Amino acid sequence: EDQVTQSPEALRLQEGESSSLNCSYTVSGLRGLFWYRQDPGKGPEFLFTLYSAGEEKEKERLKATLTKKESFLHITAPKPEDSATYLCAVQGDYKLSFGAGTTVTVRA
Amino acid sequence: NAGVTQTPKFRILKIGQSMTLQCTQDMNHNYMYWYRQDPGMGLKLIYYSVGAGITDKGEVPNGYNVSRSTTEDFPLRLELAAPSQTSVYFCASSYSWGQTYEQYFGPGTRLTVT
Repeated sequence: EDQVTQSPEALRLQEGESSSLNCSYTVSGLRGLFWYRQDPGKGPEFLFTLYSAGEEKEKERLKATLTKKESFLHITAPKPEDSATYLCAVQGDYKLSFGAGTTVTVRA
Repeated sequence: NAGVTQTPKFRILKIGQSMTLQCTQDMNHNYMYWYRQDPGMGLKLIYYSVGAGITDKGEVPNGYNVSRSTTEDFPLRLELAAPSQTSVYFCASSYSWGQTYEQYFGPGTRLTVT
């Protein structure tokens, strides 16, 4: 069974204080690893797909990386608007298996 | 494009009542999904559909039913509501082609069963 573990559960940052979120996974035959952002009271919003170890993708202050066992979401010089829950998911066949998420709070 | 829309946004049910959560997508996606999200837990797949007329169970299907008569609509039916079904429900859709399937989510329905 595919498993995804995210850490930490919560992260409080000062504006401008860079940090990283971890997503550890086990899956038979990784087809893709996904990062989503979820704001309170809303549905998950797609951020990135990573397909193979060594791949990196960037979007504004976010950068996602992938190894054979884990993925990192780096937040560089975060702003208060980056506050959200970040979800990681892996696809082994047709469906996604999600982690519980990391809730990031950025204080001005 | 409205994307994925869900109704209602909120609902309170009494134990034993039934209801249907509506989901519609306008992206011509073949694949559609229903998830539930509980506090501190990852999204759990309830049911999914690979096209009109074809549905299958996910991880947590008990107490739910679905149908898919059109490409656009994928309603979720709750029969005999129980407190354990208190949750936030998300509908999602994706393309069926390609190596991986990025899923696009609706805004969710918050359901309370008392």
